[in-house]
Order: sequence, then structure tokens, then C-alpha cells
Amino acid sequence: GAGVSQSPRYKVAKRGQDVALRCDPISGHVSLFWYQQALGQGPEFLTYFQNEAQLDKSGLPSDRFFAERPEGSVSTLKIQRTQQEDSAVYLCASSPPPGGNGYEQYFGPGTRLTVT
Amino acid sequence: KQEVTQIPAALSVPEGENLVLNCSFTDSAIYNLQWFRQDPGKGLTSLLLIQSSQREQTSGRLNASLDKSSGRSTLYIAASQPGDSATYLCAVRTYYNNAGNMLTFGGGTRLMVKP
Repeated sequence: GAGVSQSPRYKVAKRGQDVALRCDPISGHVSLFWYQQALGQGPEFLTYFQNEAQLDKSGLPSDRFFAERPEGSVSTLKIQRTQQEDSAVYLCASSPPPGGNGYEQYFGPGTRLTVT
Repeated sequence: KQEVTQIPAALSVPEGENLVLNCSFTDSAIYNLQWFRQDPGKGLTSLLLIQSSQREQTSGRLNASLDKSSGRSTLYIAASQPGDSATYLCAVRTYYNNAGNMLTFGGGTRLMVKP
């Protein structure tokens, strides 16, 4: 079946612009995660949804970052007034309900954001 | 706060060698540990997942071990091939995380296998 998909794959934004990054999780997966991966580093947690509820947003670096998942499926990560330090790959992951390998996370290809 | 460290940061070996990648974590109260592979410009592919109650997992030429009490995991790659060249990431899910499911990643090991 289809995996996690993300769009756009690449985004170039001028400093100060707003951007919106989309994630389509695997059908039936209740949990959805956003991670930020700077060049040469491991991913870092941003935020987590269970269905439509945002249960943890402790990793969001500033109030310019906002995520939503209004119907418990597709999620959007929005960054307002982008800054150069926001340049990174933004990864989305989803996982099925608990049980078996229910906590295994499946990752999308990421969106590479470059702020100029 | 959980911290994950991977050593070495980069590794270059000739084809055919057996190799070991190391991962250490500071908080042993983990739920599970995953090893991922990441190719340049691509997302993460899960290689092996070890539950906290398990000692090792094997898939083909890959074997991952877990020593939870000492906070260590190793990924063993047998008979390395040029196609194994990638960045390998270790990640743990820790009980105390507010989200319950978020992963804490190491910085990765960049592996180059030369023909």
C-alpha cells in the first residue's frame, strides 16, 4: 500500500514568507509526528498528534511554527515569517494503533525547506 | 532528558568487511529502539526495531543488539556492500516522554563502502 507522502518535496522561501508543508499519513494510522532535521544531524521532534488532537507540541522552536490535523488524517505544518535558521528537512511520520508493532513509525520522504 | 549518541560519526570501509555501528543512550527506561537507514535526499527507512524486553533482532545481513541496562545498542553489518552506503540512525522511544511515542535520534553514522 501507499506509504507516508509529503508535499512539496522542495520549497524555497524568501525570508519573511509563510510556508505550509503537507503530510498524508498511511491510511488508518492514528498517530502522526513532525520532525525537523538540520543538515548533518539527526531528526528532532517537533509535535505529535493522536487523531485530530495535538498531544505534544513541546518541540516547536517558536510561536512561528503551527501544526494542525483537523480531521485526524492529513496534517499541515505552517511556518510564519520564515528565517534562515528554519532551513532544514521536515519529516513526517505515522504509526498505527498500539499492539504488535503499533509503535513503529513510518517516515515520509521529507520536505527540504531552504530560506534565502 | 534522553540523549542519544552514535559513534563513529563517519566510517569508510572496503567492500566485504564486517562492521559495527554503536549507539548509546542516557536513560535506560526505553520502550524500544529503532535503527534507520537514510539515503541522501531521502526519508528514513526502518531497518530493525528492538523492544525493550528483547536482546537482539536480525534481518538478512543486519543484526542489532540491545543492552538496556548499560544504555547501548550495536548494529552489525556483515559482508558490507557498496549499496550499504548511507547514513544509519539510531532512535529510542522513552517512557517518560510526554507524547509517549516520540523518538529521540542520534546524530547518525555516515557509512561509505568502497568497491
